[in-house]
Amino acid sequence: KAGVTQTPRYLIKTRGQQVTLSCSPISGHRSVSWYQQTPGQGLQFLFEYFSETQRNKGNFPGRFSGRQFSNSRSEMNVSTLELGDSALYLCASTDRDRGLNEQFFGPGTRLTVL
Amino acid sequence: AQSVAQPEDQVNVAEGNPLTVKCTYSVSGNPYLFWYVQYPNRGLQFLLKYITGDNLVKGSYGFEAEFNKSQTSFHLKKPSALVSDSALYFCAVRDWNNFNKFYFGSGTKLNVKP
Repeated sequence: KAGVTQTPRYLIKTRGQQVTLSCSPISGHRSVSWYQQTPGQGLQFLFEYFSETQRNKGNFPGRFSGRQFSNSRSEMNVSTLELGDSALYLCASTDRDRGLNEQFFGPGTRLTVL
Repeated sequence: AQSVAQPEDQVNVAEGNPLTVKCTYSVSGNPYLFWYVQYPNRGLQFLLKYITGDNLVKGSYGFEAEFNKSQTSFHLKKPSALVSDSALYFCAVRDWNNFNKFYFGSGTKLNVKP
């Protein structure tokens, strides 16, 4: 099976812009979680989508949003970008239907906000 | 509330020597604990997990972890380190009430020197 794919791998934006990141989970996995990784804060949970519905949410402002499509692909959107949004954004897929907890991570999207 | 702590930012070990990467946890309810490894410019890879059962859990690449309830620890171990084990290691705990919400430690950089 193909692994988790994320596009694009690198992005450079300026403050105030918005950005959309994409994640395609492993075939058959219907759960997609998003994380923000920064040197100072480590890995922080953003949200999880399962069956096109947000199931869990972390402590991030409303500028961070997401959605999931019927084919389980997920997008994450960040509006009104701030310098502090510069980070590696990771998505992970899980086979929630089988009750399995292991998360399979994609390579991440490196976002730089100037 | 759930949380994990990795008290060491960095661990240095010589190739062939045993290694230990420490993790302590705080949970309400039974702990679901995980270890992940991250290589440069890559996403996280699942190593092993503890849900229930034997306190010694065996995982990928020769790693194992020991669950100690009285000390609330879940240390990662390997009997003989390889240079290729050099990477960033994360301990994580699953939120008791949310199937796919994880809390990650700050990460420990493992350096294995030849």
